[in-house]
Amino acid sequence: DAGVIQSPRHEVTEMGQEVTLRCKPISGHDYLFWYRQTMMRGLELLIYFNNNVPIDDSGMPEDRFSAKMPNASFSTLKIQPSEPRDSAVYFCASSLGGAGMQYFGPGTRLTVT
Amino acid sequence: QKEVEQNSGPLSVPEGAIASLNCTYSDRGSQSFFWYRQYSGKSPELIMFIYSNGDKEDGRFTAQLNKASQYVSLLIRDSQPSDSATYLCAALMDSNYQLIWGAGTKLIIKP
Repeated sequence: DAGVIQSPRHEVTEMGQEVTLRCKPISGHDYLFWYRQTMMRGLELLIYFNNNVPIDDSGMPEDRFSAKMPNASFSTLKIQPSEPRDSAVYFCASSLGGAGMQYFGPGTRLTVT
Repeated sequence: QKEVEQNSGPLSVPEGAIASLNCTYSDRGSQSFFWYRQYSGKSPELIMFIYSNGDKEDGRFTAQLNKASQYVSLLIRDSQPSDSATYLCAALMDSNYQLIWGAGTKLIIKP
């Protein structure tokens, strides 16, 4: 398997612009997680899906963030409008049967200027 | 609030020695524990998991769990420079099956 695929790998955008991050989980996995990682706050869970249904979005920082999973092989995380404090590495991870054994994608490094 | 605590380090260990990484957790209901390794600029990868009290060995790695003390550790024998990374401890909460992550310990293996 190709593993979890994320795109783009790097994104530089100006404050106020819309940003869309994409993720393709490992085929057959039924859980998908979106994380944000910064030096200050470490790894933070933003939202997770089970069988394409959002289960817990309590980690989404504010209404500017939204996530969708229209099918089992694709998910998006959208930030609109983006702000400099959104600069971070965003990881997507997937797992089978539960949250413990997660497989992470390579991440998207987002810089908002 | 459920927490997983780790010393941020850096922990410096000479090559060939045993590296000992420690983690404590607050949720007594947690039953499963995971160690992820994250190289600089890379994503976390799972290296060990443990469910039962005691030791679990996998090659040079040994995970140890003491539920009474709410303590998890990871031992790396014959440490190599390639083991230099940040090690993240995570506990699976029984209440909602979510992983609670520690902040990670940065390990440096000195040749």
